[in-house]
Amino acid sequence: EDKVVQSPLSLVVHEGDTVTLNCSYEVTNFRSLLWYKQEKKAPTFLFMLTSSGIEKKSGRLSSILDKKELFSILNITATQTGDSAIYLCAVTGNEKLTFGTGTRLTIIP
Amino acid sequence: NAGVTQTPKFRILKIGQSMTLQCTQDMNHNYMYWYRQDPGMGLKLIYYSVGAGITDKGEVPNGYNVSRSTTEDFPLRLELAAPSQTSVYFCASSYLQTGVTEAFFGQGTRLTVV
Repeated sequence: EDKVVQSPLSLVVHEGDTVTLNCSYEVTNFRSLLWYKQEKKAPTFLFMLTSSGIEKKSGRLSSILDKKELFSILNITATQTGDSAIYLCAVTGNEKLTFGTGTRLTIIP
Repeated sequence: NAGVTQTPKFRILKIGQSMTLQCTQDMNHNYMYWYRQDPGMGLKLIYYSVGAGITDKGEVPNGYNVSRSTTEDFPLRLELAAPSQTSVYFCASSYLQTGVTEAFFGQGTRLTVV
């Protein structure tokens, strides 16, 4: 059975700090790993990673995938209160898109 | 572009009632999914479909049914609503073949069973 594990489950930091969110996975016939941000409604897409070692970057957010060790990290630098959200990691395998439990990130002003 | 459209946005059901959550996508995606999200939790897969006429169970299928008669539509049916089905439901779609797209989500349906 496909499995996605995220850590930490919850994280509280001060504005301006840098955070690293982790995602490890076990999946049959890996195709892609996806990161989403969820505030009050539907998840919004951040990154899709398919190849090891290639960093994806968007502003203060970046992510990288290690297909040998089966994990990915999401980095957020110079955090702002608007970064407070649940960050979800998902993996596409043979057929299914499997999500982890998410990391709830809270940024204190 | 409409993307993924879910209806209704909110619904209150009494125990034992039934209802259908509608999901339509206009992106010609072959894969469609139904997830439920309980408070403070991640997304749990209920059912998914890899194409018209093909559906399969996810992690938490009990109490639900689906059908996929067309590429565009993937309704989720609750036959005998129970309080444990109180949750937020998301439909999503993606394209998987030689390439893969990210999953696009509907806006969600907040269901309360009383």
